[in-house]
Amino acid sequence: GQNIDQPTEMTATEGAIVQINCTYQTSGFNGLFWYQQHAGEAPTFLSYNVLDGLEEKGRFSSFLSRSKGYSYLLLKELQMKDSASYLCAVRDTRGGGATNKLIFGTGTLLAVQP
Amino acid sequence: DVKVTQSSRYLVKRTGEKVFLECVQDMDHENMFWYRQDPGLGLRLIYFSYDVKMKEKGDIPEGYSVSREKKERFSLILESASTNQTSMYLCASTIRNEQFFGPGTRLTVL
Repeated sequence: GQNIDQPTEMTATEGAIVQINCTYQTSGFNGLFWYQQHAGEAPTFLSYNVLDGLEEKGRFSSFLSRSKGYSYLLLKELQMKDSASYLCAVRDTRGGGATNKLIFGTGTLLAVQP
Repeated sequence: DVKVTQSSRYLVKRTGEKVFLECVQDMDHENMFWYRQDPGLGLRLIYFSYDVKMKEKGDIPEGYSVSREKKERFSLILESASTNQTSMYLCASTIRNEQFFGPGTRLTVL
């Protein structure tokens, strides 16, 4: 079966660091994605991990451990504009690798407070 | 810049109406997707297409159909709209490891 779990809500303070966790169970795995979605807008791509380890991109970093079925998104130097939903998604290889079908978690709503 | 556009941002239809949601991408992507997004349920895949005239069912295809006559255009069709199809509909297209989403269509079925 497929299952992706992430916390429903988190709160953090401006300037701080926050870590959003994601655990997954899928029948096939070919990469994990993080998306940011502001209220009323479409998701936008943040990061992609297919190998174990940490990928850093400015204030945002994403970590993957395939053996543990675990990823996290790390946001540093939080800004008010980082208040958004953060979606974890796993690329599912069921049916072959020709398509990039993603399975999404329900998202983590992050509120950044002054 | 990759651009994915959807025909409407907001749409209100009546139960039983036939509804067409259009999605167009301008980057010659082969793979296109239709999702719906509901509170507490996240993004769920309705249908996807990996080439012209090719389509595959996603996780929740019931009540929907799709059409891909041209590479740049992927249409979602609600043959007879029902109130439980009130939702945000998101189209996406893919290049390599990234899905690009359209702005979404918020559909209300009365």
